[in-house]
Amino acid sequence: GENVEQHPSTLSVQEGDSAVIKCTYSDSASNYFPWYKQELGKRPQLIIDIRSNVGEKKDQRIAVTLNKTAKHFSLHITETQPEDSAVYFCAASSGGGADGLTFGKGTHLIIQP
Amino acid sequence: NAGVTQTPKFQVLKTGQSMTLQCAQDMNHEYMSWYRQDPGMGLRLIHYSVGAGITDQGEVPNGYNVSRSTTEDFPLRLLSAAPSQTSVYFCASRHLGRVSGELFFGEGSRLTVL
Repeated sequence: GENVEQHPSTLSVQEGDSAVIKCTYSDSASNYFPWYKQELGKRPQLIIDIRSNVGEKKDQRIAVTLNKTAKHFSLHITETQPEDSAVYFCAASSGGGADGLTFGKGTHLIIQP
Repeated sequence: NAGVTQTPKFQVLKTGQSMTLQCAQDMNHEYMSWYRQDPGMGLRLIHYSVGAGITDQGEVPNGYNVSRSTTEDFPLRLLSAAPSQTSVYFCASRHLGRVSGELFFGEGSRLTVL
């Protein structure tokens, strides 16, 4: 089955700086890569996703890049703000999302004032 | 729309007891799933379903049963609770066949097994 590794487990950045979270996956058939944000005590919510036919996708301050050859993808958050503090999960799926997603273990992003 | 509704939000069980976590969605989603979330372990898939009458196992299915008799409901049954099943459980659903693969999660159910 798919295995998703996520790093780092904790990331502390100064407000206004950029944050980068990296994930690798094992199944070369995986073709859908979403990122979820989970605030403390809340449910995970999708913030951005990318499919394997695209190398990069951007939505305001967040962007995701995908390197299919190396089997890794990254989340980039620019101009970080206090409300960006949360746990972020990457995930991968080989069924176009029809099968279950395999999630990474999560990154706790802390924005220092 | 209420989205994905889970009940109960909190539950305490004794070892060996059985219980059912309820999940309902009103978005006419074909796909429904159950995840468990443990500290430092991320979200792990227990079971999923792509339509009424169809279920399949995920990464950690042992000790859990599911059924899908309707599009709306996807209950998760713990047959004989064990302390290792202490966790936060999330039900999630999505449409199949759409460009967006967004999973919509319920609020979660926190289960403690003593």
